[in-house]
Amino acid sequence: KQEVTQIPAALSVPEGENLVLNCSFTDSAIYNLQWFRQDPGKGLTSLLLIQSSQREQTSGRLNASLDKSSGRSTLYIAASQPGDSATYLCAVRSYSSASKIIFGSGTRLSIRP
Amino acid sequence: GAGVSQSPSNKVTEKGKDVELRCDPISGHTALYWYRQRLGQGLEFLIYFQGNSAPDKSGLPSDRFSAERTGESVSTLTIQRTQQEDSAVYLCASSRALRTSGRVSTDTQYFGPGTRLTVL
Repeated sequence: KQEVTQIPAALSVPEGENLVLNCSFTDSAIYNLQWFRQDPGKGLTSLLLIQSSQREQTSGRLNASLDKSSGRSTLYIAASQPGDSATYLCAVRSYSSASKIIFGSGTRLSIRP
Repeated sequence: GAGVSQSPSNKVTEKGKDVELRCDPISGHTALYWYRQRLGQGLEFLIYFQGNSAPDKSGLPSDRFSAERTGESVSTLTIQRTQQEDSAVYLCASSRALRTSGRVSTDTQYFGPGTRLTVL
């Protein structure tokens, strides 16, 4: 059974810092991994999708890496801004249950001006 | 283009009543998902529709929950005899389906804004 864990649960850093959010998963047989952000009272916005054959994806100041063998993904945010404050979720689709997407519980990020 | 829409945005109901939540996916997206997010918790998978295939209902928490989808369009999630523990935000997402090497995987999921359900 796939389990997805995100550490830390919450993070507060001053504006301008580079930071890394972590996601780990127990079953390495995955189709893909996706990072989302969720703003309070709103739905989820997809940030990056990494297919199982890829090692990383980049979009603007965001870079997500995937290491299937160790069951880990990281989301790197460069030069953080107050607008980056949100909850960041990672989600995994596994071969064992291809229709289900298992979400981590998220990291609540706060960027201090 | 239009994104995923959900209605109503908020629903307050009394315990024991039935409720129906609606999701309009992005046009052309064959895959549709329902999730539940309780206050302060992560997303729980409820059900998945993929084209004309039988839906994966394995995440539905009880037989009070059911969902339907007409073809590749609108989906409705119905909760019968609502209980207070059903209070949550119900999120719908849709995506394209990609066929890769004989396997069907899916592309990026796009989420609707959710329906906040409160059961008194």
